[in-house]
Amino acid sequence: SQTIHQWPATLVQPVGSPLSLECTVEGTSNPNLYWYRQAAGRGLQLLFYSVGIGQISSEVPQNLSASRPQDRQFILSSKKLLLSDSGFYLCAWTRLGVGGNTIYFGEGSWLTVV
Amino acid sequence: DQQVKQNSPSLSVQEGRISILNCDYTNSMFDYFLWYKKYPAEGPTFLISISSIKDKNEDGRFTVFLNKSAKHLSLHIVPSQPGDSAVYFCAATATPNTPLVFGKGTRLSVIA
Repeated sequence: SQTIHQWPATLVQPVGSPLSLECTVEGTSNPNLYWYRQAAGRGLQLLFYSVGIGQISSEVPQNLSASRPQDRQFILSSKKLLLSDSGFYLCAWTRLGVGGNTIYFGEGSWLTVV
Repeated sequence: DQQVKQNSPSLSVQEGRISILNCDYTNSMFDYFLWYKKYPAEGPTFLISISSIKDKNEDGRFTVFLNKSAKHLSLHIVPSQPGDSAVYFCAATATPNTPLVFGKGTRLSVIA
């Protein structure tokens, strides 16, 4: 069966520090991968998605970036965090189903920028 | 511009009664709709979905209704249980490989 893991689960980072969140998917190949953020009052906001190695689409312009160095690995990064980057970050992957796709989320990473 | 709207940020229902969560969308190209349930500090979990070729899909206590002409879908939970208390997100997509677009969520509280 397929599983998705992301880490770290929680982190507190000072403003201006770098960020690296990592996500891996097991039990499938060539998944579509996503990074979402849940911020207060804004629901689930799509940040990046990838349909293959090295292929990244950015949905929201900001100081975050994403990379996909391997088929089942997706990394969210920042060189300098802002206070507004605080939130709950979710990695997800897609399994194609009949009539559409169902997205499956990781456990989430809670980032607090202080 | 929000393509998927959940206009009720919160909903309170008594245990045993029906919970109805609503969702509206604006993009007529959307043809696949999903509901997710989320507990605090956890990733959302898939609940139920419906394709645009159907107007109803049922799974146990959960039923999703789709009204394409009104661009409206709803999730019914019967009977509601305290463990159903969570944030529910509506999502939609136009083609299998396009990312899901989520609503802002509705927080359901089921009171014992």
